[in-house]
Amino acid sequence: GENVEQHPSTLSVQEGDSAVIKCTYSDSASNYFPWYKQELGKRPQLIIDIRSNVGEKKDQRIAVTLNKTAKHFSLHITETQPEDSAVYFCAARRSNYQLIWGAGTKLIIKP
Amino acid sequence: DTEVTQTPKHLVMGMTNKKSLKCEQHMGHRAMYWYKQKAKKPPELMFVYSYEKLSINESVPSRFSPECPNSSLLNLHLHALQPEDSALYLCASSQRRDYEQYFGPGTRLTVT
Repeated sequence: GENVEQHPSTLSVQEGDSAVIKCTYSDSASNYFPWYKQELGKRPQLIIDIRSNVGEKKDQRIAVTLNKTAKHFSLHITETQPEDSAVYFCAARRSNYQLIWGAGTKLIIKP
Repeated sequence: DTEVTQTPKHLVMGMTNKKSLKCEQHMGHRAMYWYKQKAKKPPELMFVYSYEKLSINESVPSRFSPECPNSSLLNLHLHALQPEDSALYLCASSQRRDYEQYFGPGTRLTVT
């Protein structure tokens, strides 16, 4: 069935450095790719998303890139700060509108 | 109001109890969702309502029963749950099913 693979499962970076999380999807009909940030004990929060007709989208320190041919998309966080520490989930939306989620990446920002 | 709200925040129930989880949004969204999330896992879709009609039921056991009384409210009725049903239950909404989803804070459910 359709799945989304997410790597790495844990990412530790020095404060101020960049972080990159990668996802690969299998359903070529997927056309929408959101990224959620979930802090411990909190709700998943939509931080950025991209549609299949766009290759890149940026919002301040966060950017997402999409390669439809290779069926992968990535989250880029620049100038990381302690408040960026959280679990990040990628997802791909199927043609029936259901989100298929990646397994999550725990991002640790070291001071 | 730009938030999805859920009550209660925490719920402890026995396996013979009947309880309900509630979700509310006043953003005019016409799609609402129930998810179950276990620790260190992504959310798992349980039910989707679109224009107050159940459109997706992901083979969820009948001890979970959803209800959408109107376009702003979503309930999840619980009966005869098992300890393995303990999890964070998240509600989400979107303007329509092809729009971005926004999550509520969740109900932390413990079944004893």
